[in-house]
Amino acid sequence: AQSVTQLDSHVSVSEGTPVLLRCNYSSSYSPSLFWYVQHPNKGLQLLLKYTSAATLVKGINGFEAEFKKSETSFHLTKPSAHMSDAAEYFCVVSDLRGNEKLTFGTGTRLTIIP
Amino acid sequence: KAGVTQTPRYLIKTRGQQVTLSCSPISGHRSVSWYQQTPGQGLQFLFEYFSETQRNKGNFPGRFSGRQFSNSRSEMNVSTLELGDSALYLCASSFGLGYEAFFGQGTRLTVV
Repeated sequence: AQSVTQLDSHVSVSEGTPVLLRCNYSSSYSPSLFWYVQHPNKGLQLLLKYTSAATLVKGINGFEAEFKKSETSFHLTKPSAHMSDAAEYFCVVSDLRGNEKLTFGTGTRLTIIP
Repeated sequence: KAGVTQTPRYLIKTRGQQVTLSCSPISGHRSVSWYQQTPGQGLQFLFEYFSETQRNKGNFPGRFSGRQFSNSRSEMNVSTLELGDSALYLCASSFGLGYEAFFGQGTRLTVV
């Protein structure tokens, strides 16, 4: 079984300050992990993915995430928030057994304060 | 290249009716998955097709069904619509195992 927990339902940061969105996962097998972003009334866009290569993964728009197996975490970070980063962020896990089902976290709404 | 295309974008139906939603995946992608997104339940997995075969199914009643055609296009059908079926329905396509999924813009279904 696989699951993912996003520890914060809502995060607010000031423009230009760092962003940290927390995600913990559970998977019986070697997982693939993803972060997706959803802007209002839009579909989901892939930010970055981890598939058992480098543990520090760089994504689009300056985001990155670090896979920490010992902590079962895959937190998303960005050094400096931009107003356009305001959106809903989803951490997603998929195991590698041939099961294509993506398990989504409940989402973290990121608000950027001008 | 063209992204995942979902039609229609918006739909209003009456309770008891049925509805069919369409998804055209990215060219070359053979896996298509469907998700329901609501404010209360978040994103929930409906089902996944690969090469015309349903490989996975989420925990939804039998009123929700789907299929995939030989060109990888997929449809989902909801029969006997209920008010609670109002949601954003998202389709995602991928090459398969371990590959990232690309999402369409979704179909917003409103049941009145």
